[in-house]
Amino acid sequence: GAVVSQHPSRVICKSGTSVKIECRSLDFQATTMFWYRQFPKKSLMLMATSNEGSKATYEQGVEKDKFLINHASLTLSTLTVTSAHPEDSSFYICSARPRDRTNSGNTIYFGEGSWLTVV
Amino acid sequence: LAKTTQPISMDSYEGQEVNITCSHNNIATNDYITWYQQFPSQGPRFIIQGYKTKVTNEVASLFIPADRKSSTLSLPRVSLSDTAVYYCLVGPAGGYNKLIFGAGTRLAVHP
Repeated sequence: GAVVSQHPSRVICKSGTSVKIECRSLDFQATTMFWYRQFPKKSLMLMATSNEGSKATYEQGVEKDKFLINHASLTLSTLTVTSAHPEDSSFYICSARPRDRTNSGNTIYFGEGSWLTVV
Repeated sequence: LAKTTQPISMDSYEGQEVNITCSHNNIATNDYITWYQQFPSQGPRFIIQGYKTKVTNEVASLFIPADRKSSTLSLPRVSLSDTAVYYCLVGPAGGYNKLIFGAGTRLAVHP
């Protein structure tokens, strides 16, 4: 199956600093990538949708100036958490929709996730 | 996107068949049904997708009745490693604009 890779898998940063998480589709081109955050024992919460070459669309309540999303190529999207605070500590997951879709619907592939801890 | 309803949790034992049902009363004509599995600290993994009747792959089967207002994920002979959260999602063919996750079903498989 298609592979989506996130890096880093775990990161610890100091409060007030910024941290970048990368999401790459390794064997396919992705026109659209999605970013989620997930708290322990909770479901995934969609943060934003990013389309290659255009600005991301953020979900209600998500601060676009705090969570900067860049989708510069068909295989890479980045999420930058700016001026991180302890409450930003969470599990961040990206997913990607292949540019070339099969006829059996619309499968979206997820990365392994990235744990962010802000101290 | 059609809202989905699943049981919050289920328990089973190794070797049993597990059926998880998802309700999606407002499913649209061009919606597909997709199930994902998630282990702790990992991203969701695609299990199976279907539109109507029955779909089977090496991992699971998906049963969809004629009215498509519900679907059942069937896991044959579960093992301890099937302990995970299972999510049912519904969205239009040709591309979900976005995938919204419900609460999912937390399956615990016991020895």
